[in-house]
Parts: sequence; C-alpha cells; structure tokens
Amino acid sequence: GQQVMQIPQYQHVQEGEDFTTYCNSSTTLSNIQWYKQRPGGHPVFLIQLVKSGEVKKQKRLTFQFGEAKKNSSLHITATQTTDVGTYFCAGGFFSGSARQLTFGSGTQLTVLP
Amino acid sequence: DAGVIQSPRHEVTEMGQEVTLRCKPISGHNSLFWYRQTMMRGLELLIYFNNNVPIDDSGMPEDRFSAKMPNASFSTLKIQPSEPRDSAVYFCASHLSYSNQPQHFGDGTRLSIL
Repeated sequence: GQQVMQIPQYQHVQEGEDFTTYCNSSTTLSNIQWYKQRPGGHPVFLIQLVKSGEVKKQKRLTFQFGEAKKNSSLHITATQTTDVGTYFCAGGFFSGSARQLTFGSGTQLTVLP
Repeated sequence: DAGVIQSPRHEVTEMGQEVTLRCKPISGHNSLFWYRQTMMRGLELLIYFNNNVPIDDSGMPEDRFSAKMPNASFSTLKIQPSEPRDSAVYFCASHLSYSNQPQHFGDGTRLSIL
C-alpha cells in the first residue's frame, strides 16, 4: 500500500525553540492532513492542505505542501509546553475510485520548560 | 454534537478470552476506521468501512481479528482468542468520505491482555 514517511520520530526542544516535522511520499498526494495527539489522548485534526505549494498558518504553526505534492512540513515557532504531543501527517491517495488516507508514523515532541 | 463514541474505555482480560470493542460513529458519516496504536508500531489502520461495507481489511493482523458494521451507527472489532501482543490502544474514527473530509477519532479503548 501507499506509505508516508515522517521524520524525526522524536524531538526534544527547549521551550522557546522552534520545531519542524517533515513528511514524504513516493507518490503524488491528493491532499495532506495534519493531526495532533496529546499524551493519553486521541488524534485531533489540525489542518488540511490541498494545493501545490500551499502554505497555511495557525498562530505559531506553519504548514506547507510541496510543489510536487509529495512532501509537507509543520513548523512551530517558539514552542510552548502546550505544544507537547505527537504530530501526525496523513497523506490522501486515490485507490481506484476510493480515497484513502495513510498516516505517517508521527513525531513525538517534548518541550522542556 | 456527540463525537465518535467508543466502549469500553479500558479493558483488562486474560489471554484466550474474547474481546469486543464497540464504536458509534458521528451521525451522517459514511466511513468508519479501526486503528491500533502501540509504541512499537505506531498508528496502524486495521480495517475501514464505506457505507457499512468493508473496503480494505489488509491491516487486520490475523484471523483472530474480525470487524463488523451491521448498520450506519454501530461497529464492532472482535478479537478471539486474545493474546498479550494484542495489548494496545484501539481507536475508531469516522468521516464523510467525500471531498477530503478529516477523520474524527474516538477516545480509544485501552486494551490489556494478561
């Protein structure tokens, strides 16, 4: 099946530092979604990117979709302890007539106060 | 609006026992997904249904696992017999399958097989 690779697997940062997680697909994506899972919680949808080269911002979070629609990144500026959690990308593919969403392995972010 | 509802929230049972996990998707959503999450393997898609029909069950680990969706508002994931390696958090998610709608996850069932 389709695979979405996500790096790094873990990231520890000091509060106030920036953080970036990257996703890559070997095939073109129809869209990419980003989710956040707090410790002990469930994945919660953050945002979706659909257009080539698209950039979206949510306060300190910046999401990018590559020109070739094969990669994406999430950048957090000046991390806070509330940013702790695991960030997942999920790439959208067409399989026949069905849409499928494949989750990356996630990046677990720890923010040290 | 009620989100995706899963039950039970926690289950502890001995190996060999049958385990049934339940999920009620968000009303109006036509796709339902079962995921398993472990530290070692991350978030794995087990099976998904579209309009109550199983579309892809290639992620179901083995014949001990089965899933059903008898109607649009209910699904079960059954493990029989259960083994310690099945211990994980099992999530159910639902969405509208049209036009890239996001998935909405339930709170999960934390399953421990002793």
